[in-house]
Amino acid sequence: QQQVKQSPQSLIVQKGGISIINCAYENTAFDYFPWYQQFPGKGPALLIAIRPDVSEKKEGRFTISFNKSAKQFSLHIMDSQPGDSATYFCAAECGRNRDDKIIFGKGTRLHILP
Amino acid sequence: DVKVTQSSRYLVKRTGEKVFLECVQDMDHENMFWYRQDPGLGLRLIYFSYDVKMKEKGDIPEGYSVSREKKERFSLILESASTNQTSMYLCASRYRDRGYTFGSGTRLTVV
Repeated sequence: QQQVKQSPQSLIVQKGGISIINCAYENTAFDYFPWYQQFPGKGPALLIAIRPDVSEKKEGRFTISFNKSAKQFSLHIMDSQPGDSATYFCAAECGRNRDDKIIFGKGTRLHILP
Repeated sequence: DVKVTQSSRYLVKRTGEKVFLECVQDMDHENMFWYRQDPGLGLRLIYFSYDVKMKEKGDIPEGYSVSREKKERFSLILESASTNQTSMYLCASRYRDRGYTFGSGTRLTVV
């Protein structure tokens, strides 16, 4: 119940296309859903996050779509660029208690073809 | 800008050595975490701490210990390094209202 399932494991998209990464969770107590972006040789960095009271959040070319009833959320990268090539992690968290911790998906390696 | 600093980017140690990985954050964050990252396995939590001198086991604590004597510093200790501990180690910190900040990682090779 603590898992976050992420798919696909890897993704190749043409420049200018839309990249879509999906995640699913079971624990309905999760109340914060961030996405992290990791470039080779770097630590993951927070990209965008959503709380379950909204169905969509957009920041530039990056959009999170959230479906509370299906317990699914996804990251959409519009007009994908070679500079977006990275590993993306979805995550879920219930932050009510000080010892709560984030649950990460296993990651998606995205490659944008020039 | 907020920062999590890991003392070494690359480290090579011998089997059986005691290894210290240091992490310092300058954000006055309460929570700190140690992860290891391996291809195909994602980010796996080793230990975390939500206060000075407090520590909690994560998903894979075996073979590791931690120390948090000051709020800004969280150390990961490999008591007797083994080859299966060759990995990328990532430290992170978080304030109570979310958002993890990660360090750049330490790539440890045990030979």
